[in-house]
Amino acid sequence: QKEVEQDPGPLSVPEGAIVSLNCTYSNSAFQYFMWYRQYSRKGPELLMYTYSSGNKEDGRFTAQVDKSSKYISLFIRDSQPSDSATYLCAMPSRGFDNAGNMLTFGGGTRLMVKP
Amino acid sequence: DGGITQSPKYLFRKEGQNVTLSCEQNLNHDAMYWYRQDPGQGLRLIYYSQIVNDFQKGDIAEGYSVSREKKESFPLTVTSAQKNPTAFYLCASSITPGGEQYFGPGTRLTVT
Repeated sequence: QKEVEQDPGPLSVPEGAIVSLNCTYSNSAFQYFMWYRQYSRKGPELLMYTYSSGNKEDGRFTAQVDKSSKYISLFIRDSQPSDSATYLCAMPSRGFDNAGNMLTFGGGTRLMVKP
Repeated sequence: DGGITQSPKYLFRKEGQNVTLSCEQNLNHDAMYWYRQDPGQGLRLIYYSQIVNDFQKGDIAEGYSVSREKKESFPLTVTSAQKNPTAFYLCASSITPGGEQYFGPGTRLTVT
């Protein structure tokens, strides 16, 4: 079993829909969670990060963490064609600032928002 | 303008040749990373460096080599020993190990 799992998609939605992107993880040591967005043939860009359980909102994006279920979500409201990209979740195995600490990435979910 | 640069954007090589991919950052980050991404797949870690003059193998280091002589630079050499080198290569850096990683634009390598 992979440490971090994402449905690869593609997830196809109409413009204006609410999108839910999800990751499950197996290692309870993960305490800090990130979402990256990667457009085709580009490097990933950091979209959001959150430390704790609960919600964090940034514009149309909301990150949600449920540590008891080992499940994180990224919601996109009023989705736009420009949101079409691959979304990757990531989490460091040992919290912050430890030698040898690494990010573990999910495989990514491809999102297509149709006009 | 701070960031990570990778060059070239596209690279073509003949089988059996070594090739070096450049990665430079001016973010003053201690840690740097190289990933490989194949079509429709996630990121696989090749090598990482947490400090100058030190680097560690990642999950798929065979056929690759790196150096970290300067904080700003972390070049990756794809050797002829790498059996399937055609891929999209991404360099990243972070302030500290385990922190948010910032990625370069990537180099697409094609070996024929």
